[in-house]
Amino acid sequence: DTAVSQTPKYLVTQMGNDKSIKCEQNLGHDTMYWYKQDSKKFLKIMFSYNNKELIINETVPNRFSPKSPDKAHLNLHINSLELGDSAVYFCASSQGRQIDYTFGSGTRLTVV
Amino acid sequence: QQQVKQSPQSLIVQKGGISIINCAYENTAFDYFPWYQQFPGKGPALLIAIRPDVSEKKEGRFTISFNKSAKQFSLHIMDSQPGDSATYFCAATNRDDKIIFGKGTRLHILP
Repeated sequence: DTAVSQTPKYLVTQMGNDKSIKCEQNLGHDTMYWYKQDSKKFLKIMFSYNNKELIINETVPNRFSPKSPDKAHLNLHINSLELGDSAVYFCASSQGRQIDYTFGSGTRLTVV
Repeated sequence: QQQVKQSPQSLIVQKGGISIINCAYENTAFDYFPWYQQFPGKGPALLIAIRPDVSEKKEGRFTISFNKSAKQFSLHIMDSQPGDSATYFCAATNRDDKIIFGKGTRLHILP
């Protein structure tokens, strides 16, 4: 039933670890996004994929690597986690350049 | 030029009052202005959107007012209810680029 689903919902990990967040959408959309929301609620785009092709890659440390195995899935792998990576990460999707995004419920990442 | 400036950062309104959130933009290429509503623990969800060829759009208690010459737009929530308490994001985009979000307004409606 869920349109954009992310797993896990919560992730607590130690500095230096590597972790992945998964996202799946069942809306038939062909474009997916990763956003980072900091403690002040500011939404910052990180990556966007259209039909498995990377189309937006904002200034993000190369410790962050997105992977899109198909247009319904977009995963985010983070290497060597740092304290500053603590945030809520949102996956979103849209149809082509249509600009109404559907967001997932977020993954709260806490690095200790 | 890519920024969308949103104010206020936080807002407290009595139940039944009018909540007003303002946004301003610089890029005249923007042609679509959505507002997103985010409840705690949830992702943002599209609330209402407007294109610059109209000056106002109303959906229920929510109204967007748009001033193209001033490059400003605002969200008005009439008869504000405690269930409207959330963070609201204005945004702007054109068809060939990503959405640019404002920094958000935390709205609290007093019961």
